Amino acid sequence: DGGITQSPKYLFRKEGQNVTLSCEQNLNHDAMYWYRQDPGQGLRLIYYSQIVNDFQKGDIAEGYSVSREKKESFPLTVTSAQKNPTAFYLCASSIKYGELFFGEGSRLTVL
Amino acid sequence: AQSVTQPDIHITVSEGASLELRCNYSYGATPYLFWYVQSPGQGLQLLLKYFSGDTLVQGIKGFEAEFKRSQSSFNLRKPSVHWSDAAEYFCAGYLNTGTASKLTFGTGTRLQVTL
Repeated sequence: DGGITQSPKYLFRKEGQNVTLSCEQNLNHDAMYWYRQDPGQGLRLIYYSQIVNDFQKGDIAEGYSVSREKKESFPLTVTSAQKNPTAFYLCASSIKYGELFFGEGSRLTVL
Repeated sequence: AQSVTQPDIHITVSEGASLELRCNYSYGATPYLFWYVQSPGQGLQLLLKYFSGDTLVQGIKGFEAEFKRSQSSFNLRKPSVHWSDAAEYFCAGYLNTGTASKLTFGTGTRLQVTL
C-alpha cells in the first residue's frame, strides 16, 4: 500500500540533544512538508520541499533543519536550538495544490 | 495576510443530530479550500476539497461543504452524526502564488458526540 511512514512514533530527548525524525513516502509525490502541532494552535509549517535538493523555510523553522536528498525521504532534525521542542510532528506529501497526505505523526517529548 | 478561521474550538452534538462546522477565510483571491479530519494521536485525512465550480461539494464519510463567496465561508455539514465522527476537524486554504504557495490551516474544531 502506498503511503507515508513516520518513525519513531514516540521519541524522548534530553535537553541539549539533537534528534532526527524520519519521513518516507512511496506515493511518488514531489512535494513534502513538516508540520508541528500543539494543542489549540492547529498545524504550523516548519519546512517544505517541492523538489529534490531544494527546500524552503515555513513559518517556524528556527531550531529545525531538513534535507531532501531523495524524492522519497524528508527527514527533520530538531536541534538543541529549538527552545520548546515537545510537540506532535506531522509529515505530509502532495501532488496537487493543497491536497496533502499525512503520516501518522511522531510525538517528541523533552525530558 | 492569508488566514483561515474556525470560530468554534469545541462542539458537542448528539448522535443522529445534524452538524455544521464553521470556517471563514481571508485571502486576496478565492483560494482552494479543504476540510481535514484527525482522530486522536493520528495524522490528518482529507474529507473534501473545493477548487472551483459547483459550490456544494461532497466528501467521504457522508460529509459535505458549501462554498459561499459572499460570506467568505466554507462550512462543513453532515445530516446525521455518528459516534465515530468524534475527532478534530481542520479547515485549510491554499492560494497558488508560485514557489511561496502553502496550505494555511485553521486552529481546528474538536467534535464530541454524545450517545
